[in-house]
Amino acid sequence: AQKITQTQPGMFVQEKEAVTLDCTYDTSDPSYGLFWYKQPSSGEMIFLIYQGSYDQQNATEGRYSLNFQKARKSANLVISASQLGDSAMYFCAMREGRVYNQGGKLIFGQGTELSVKP
Amino acid sequence: NAGVTQTPKFRILKIGQSMTLQCTQDMNHNYMYWYRQDPGMGLKLIYYSVGAGITDKGEVPNGYNVSRSTTEDFPLRLELAAPSQTSVYFCASSYSLTGELFFGEGSRLTVL
Repeated sequence: AQKITQTQPGMFVQEKEAVTLDCTYDTSDPSYGLFWYKQPSSGEMIFLIYQGSYDQQNATEGRYSLNFQKARKSANLVISASQLGDSAMYFCAMREGRVYNQGGKLIFGQGTELSVKP
Repeated sequence: NAGVTQTPKFRILKIGQSMTLQCTQDMNHNYMYWYRQDPGMGLKLIYYSVGAGITDKGEVPNGYNVSRSTTEDFPLRLELAAPSQTSVYFCASSYSLTGELFFGEGSRLTVL
């Protein structure tokens, strides 16, 4: 069963507008963490933001915020004031508490390719 | 700040050849991982290590081996390369079981 689902293979957004990238997850573990990574065309993986399952408030990091809806099991990434440099592949990932004895491995979704138009 | 360093960045192998992808980190992280990324896909875990001398299989370990003799180094060995192993390989490390992963720049491997 797919644990992390990103249903948008590709997205377009106009420069300076906000965009939401969808991520839903599946777990029965009450303790888990959700991560977003950015992968530009150069290929490196850049950590953007983290949300813990027990965190009361949505995580924010600069222009990035995470819209965490626990009951819906969704962790959407919101990018405000899009810039041309935001064009990249974006991956949602999850770490379940039960895998703490398995090295704390991350499970990744298939990614969403974001293109920012000037 | 070097972070996680992978070598080589690019490599072409013939079917049946073997090679080692090197990974070293200078952050004194205990947790290290090898992932592969196939075109248009997310990352899949090959092997991981929770410390020197301790390694374990991930989701797609077949055709690979690892070792962890030091905290810094986590090499990935490909034995008898097959076209299905054509992929981009990422090494990553983490300072804790809850922290984010720090990734190397990736190694693009083509098996012909």
